[in-house]
Amino acid sequence: EIVMTQSPATLSVSLGERATLSCRASQSVSSNLAWYQQKPGQAPRLLISGASTRATDIPARFSGSGSGTEFTLTISSLQSEDFAVYYCQQYNNWPAITFGQGTRLEIK
Amino acid sequence: QVQLQESGPGLVKPSETLSLTCSISGYSISAGYYWGWVRQSPGTGLDWVAIIYHSGTTYYNPSLQSRVSISVDAAKNQFSLRLSAVTAADTAVYYCARAKYISGFGYYFDFWGQGSLVAVSS
Repeated sequence: EIVMTQSPATLSVSLGERATLSCRASQSVSSNLAWYQQKPGQAPRLLISGASTRATDIPARFSGSGSGTEFTLTISSLQSEDFAVYYCQQYNNWPAITFGQGTRLEIK
Repeated sequence: QVQLQESGPGLVKPSETLSLTCSISGYSISAGYYWGWVRQSPGTGLDWVAIIYHSGTTYYNPSLQSRVSISVDAAKNQFSLRLSAVTAADTAVYYCARAKYISGFGYYFDFWGQGSLVAVSS
C-alpha cells in the first residue's frame, strides 16, 4: 500500500496570505495525485487532479505542483471560504487508491 | 450537473449487514465511469471501500473484501453497498462518488454525495 503523509497537520495562516500544504508518497506516484477540500459537514470537493490540473470552477488561487513523491498545494491569497481540511490522494496504484490524513487550514 | 444521494439506515446492530444505496441524477450510470464508496471515520480518515464499473466489474478494498459487496441497478440509476458482520469499527460517514479512471493507473473522485452517517451499536 502506498502511504500518503501530509504536513503540517494544522496550518494557521492569515486572510490574504499564502498557504503551502505538503503531501509525500511512500513511493513514486508519478503525477497521479489529487487534492480535495472538505468543509465541516460536507463531502470532499475535488480541487486538483494530475498533480496540477484544477477541476472545473476551482479558482486560480489554488495551484498544485510536484511529481514522484513530493507534492504541494498552494493557495495564493487566502479567502475566508478557504479555511477547511485538505486531503491528498494518490491514484497510481490500481485499484488501491489511498488518501493522506489531511491538513487542517485555520485562520491565524 | 451530476448529483449523488446516499440513503439507508443510520443505525445498524453489531454482526448485522449495513446496506446503502446511492441514487444518481444528471448522468446515466450506463453511460460509463466507475462508481464507488468511500468512508470516513475520526480514527482512520478517508478510506476507499469499493468501486464498480457500469458493466458490473467490481473491486474491493482488501481489508474489507470478505465482507463487502457493491452492485449496480441501471434501471434505477443507482448503485448499492452491502457490508456484513459489522462492528463498531465500521461506524463512519459513507460517501458515494463517481470515479474518474485514468487509463493504466487508478482513479480519483470528481462528484460526491453528501454522505450518510452509519453508526454500529446495539
